[in-house]
Amino acid sequence: SQKIEQNSEALNIQEGKTATLTCNYTNYSPAYLQWYRQDPGRGPVFLLLIRENEKEKRKERLKVTFDTTLKQSLFHITASQPADSATYLCALNQAGTALIFGKGTTLSVSS
Amino acid sequence: IAGITQAPTSQILAAGRRMTLRCTQDMRHNAMYWYRQDLGLGLRLIHYSNTAGTTGKGEVPDGYSVSRANTDDFPLTLASAVPSQTSVYFCASSGDLNTGELFFGEGSRLTVL
Repeated sequence: SQKIEQNSEALNIQEGKTATLTCNYTNYSPAYLQWYRQDPGRGPVFLLLIRENEKEKRKERLKVTFDTTLKQSLFHITASQPADSATYLCALNQAGTALIFGKGTTLSVSS
Repeated sequence: IAGITQAPTSQILAAGRRMTLRCTQDMRHNAMYWYRQDLGLGLRLIHYSNTAGTTGKGEVPDGYSVSRANTDDFPLTLASAVPSQTSVYFCASSGDLNTGELFFGEGSRLTVL
């Protein structure tokens, strides 16, 4: 069966450290993968998109990798801050379908 | 710029009642979506529309219907609400079904008693 898994429900780190979130998928062949941020009581907000032919994408303190052999994406936040505390969702597509979301990882950054 | 507007933001509803959740976007996006978000289950797609006049079923369509009479509006109707439809509902839009980011509304929290 098809699955998209974010293998940590919660991640707690100290301010200044790098947070690494994992997204694994099975039985999909996505053309791209996206990461979203969701704050409590709010809708998800797009952060980054990485395509199947891209290994890595960066945006400010964010870095995303995409390994289609391992069927895995890693999402890194460097120099993390308490304001980075939120739930992070990965999402992927297959051609012609809407985005399928993982259940999310809730990141808590303590000062 | 409003983006995606959902209404109501919150509603308590008796089981068996009919309810329509409204969604309007001002970005002229072709594709629109309805997701529900439940604790432990994440976001699940209910229905989608690639363009005005067309709709499709997502992962959990039963008990819901949608229409897409024009580009801007994509209402979600619960014909006869049941307690299992208690959830937070998110509407989203995208400029392209196959690429690009989703823009989400702020959600409609529905409680069915």
